[in-house]
Amino acid sequence: QQQVKQSPQSLIVQKGGIPIINCAYENTAFDYFPWYQQFPGKGPALLIAIRPDVSEKKEGRFTISFNKSAKQFSLHIMDSQPGDSATYFCAASNSGGSNYKLTFGKGTLLTVNP
Amino acid sequence: NAGVTQTPKFQVLKTGQSMTLQCAQDMNHNSMYWYRQDPGMGLRLIYYSASEGTTDKGEVPNGYNVSRLNKREFSLRLESAAPSQTSVYFCASSEIWGPYEQYFGPGTRLTVT
Repeated sequence: QQQVKQSPQSLIVQKGGIPIINCAYENTAFDYFPWYQQFPGKGPALLIAIRPDVSEKKEGRFTISFNKSAKQFSLHIMDSQPGDSATYFCAASNSGGSNYKLTFGKGTLLTVNP
Repeated sequence: NAGVTQTPKFQVLKTGQSMTLQCAQDMNHNSMYWYRQDPGMGLRLIYYSASEGTTDKGEVPNGYNVSRLNKREFSLRLESAAPSQTSVYFCASSEIWGPYEQYFGPGTRLTVT
């Protein structure tokens, strides 16, 4: 059972475009939603995270939008640059003690062309 | 600070061989994790250690064992490698157990022939 569904699998945009990556989850107990960025040959690194008490969070050019009723969240990258080319993973977890488990989506390979 | 380090970076094994992947962190983190990454599958948790002295199974533990050697080090052992264990393995750590940032190492690329 895939608890976090991520789309699209791959995405190509031109420099300056606004790529959008979407994730949907099933478990209503999830209350922590991070995005990780991974460059080729490197480990993932936390990009931005949101909790469901807000509907949007911005950090620089990266924005997470969160829709609790639809159980969906998305990553928008404003003014995308070739250096943003990477694989992006959404993830979700609950925060409940021994039940904590971080579940990752399958990833989106983003290519930003110059 | 080196963060999370992993050795080796690359390894080729024959079916049935054993090996241990090493992981160390210098951030004084309490929790450590082992993931595997396969094409199109995202990251899947193999084992984790919520705190020194404890370990527990994740989503895909079969064929693996772990040891939390001390607060800094968390190793992953393949007792009898199988081709299905060909993957990239990542170690990660977090300050405490729970929904907090995980810091990943650079990965070990393992091929089992």
